[in-house]
Amino acid sequence: RKEVEQDPGPFNVPEGATVAFNCTYSNSASQSFFWYRQDCRKEPKLLMSVYSSGNEDGRFTAQLNRASQYISLLIRDSKLSDSATYLCVVNPVVDTGRRALTFGSGTRLQVQP
Amino acid sequence: DAGITQSPRHKVTETGTPVTLRCHQTENHRYMYWYRQDPGHGLRLIHYSYGVKDTDKGEVSDGYSVSRSKTEDFLLTLESATSSQTSVYFCAISEVAGNNYEQYFGPGTRLTVT
Repeated sequence: RKEVEQDPGPFNVPEGATVAFNCTYSNSASQSFFWYRQDCRKEPKLLMSVYSSGNEDGRFTAQLNRASQYISLLIRDSKLSDSATYLCVVNPVVDTGRRALTFGSGTRLQVQP
Repeated sequence: DAGITQSPRHKVTETGTPVTLRCHQTENHRYMYWYRQDPGHGLRLIHYSYGVKDTDKGEVSDGYSVSRSKTEDFLLTLESATSSQTSVYFCAISEVAGNNYEQYFGPGTRLTVT
C-alpha cells in the first residue's frame, strides 16, 4: 500500500464548478499535511498547509480527518488557471531531523471553458 | 520565491558517464533535498542534507551520491548513469512555519540517459 494515495484523475470540470480531491495516508503518526500544485513541466508549489481544524484560502478549502487518515481539497468556482496536478503531501514523523515529506502521485485537474 | 536555482536545466548523457547536478540557494536554509519525479511514482527522496557536510540517504539513493561543502550548494552525482535514472530531478529547501516543515522547490533538471 502506498503511504499517500490519490485518485490520479483526470478530473474534467467546467469553469465555475466545485471540485473536490481526496487523499488517504497510511501512517497514523503523520503530523503535517500539505497540498501542492504542479503545472505541466514545472516544479511543485505549495498551495496550502492543512490544519486539524480545517482551513480556507479564498476559493480553496482543506480538511483533515485524522481518525480516517483522510485529507481533502475543495476548489470552488473553478478557473481555467486552476488546471494543474494537485499533490497531497504528508510529513510522516515529528522531528526526525530529516523533515522529509511523502508525496502522493497527484490528481490532475482540467478546467474547461 | 525561495531563491533556488538548479543547473543544468536539461542534460542528455550516455550510459556509464558520471553526471553532477547542482542546486544553489541564496537564503541560508539549513535543510536541502534531492528528489526525482517519474510518472506514476510521484516525487521520491534521493538524499537530503541537514547542514554543511551532513547528508543522509532517502528512499531511492542507490546509484547516487551527494556533497554539501557550502551552505548554499548541494550537489547530486550519478556515479555511472543508467537509463533508469532518466528522470526529472528537483532540489528543495525546508522552512519551518509553526509546526509545519514546508518545502520549496527549484525549477528542476530534466536528465535523459541514452
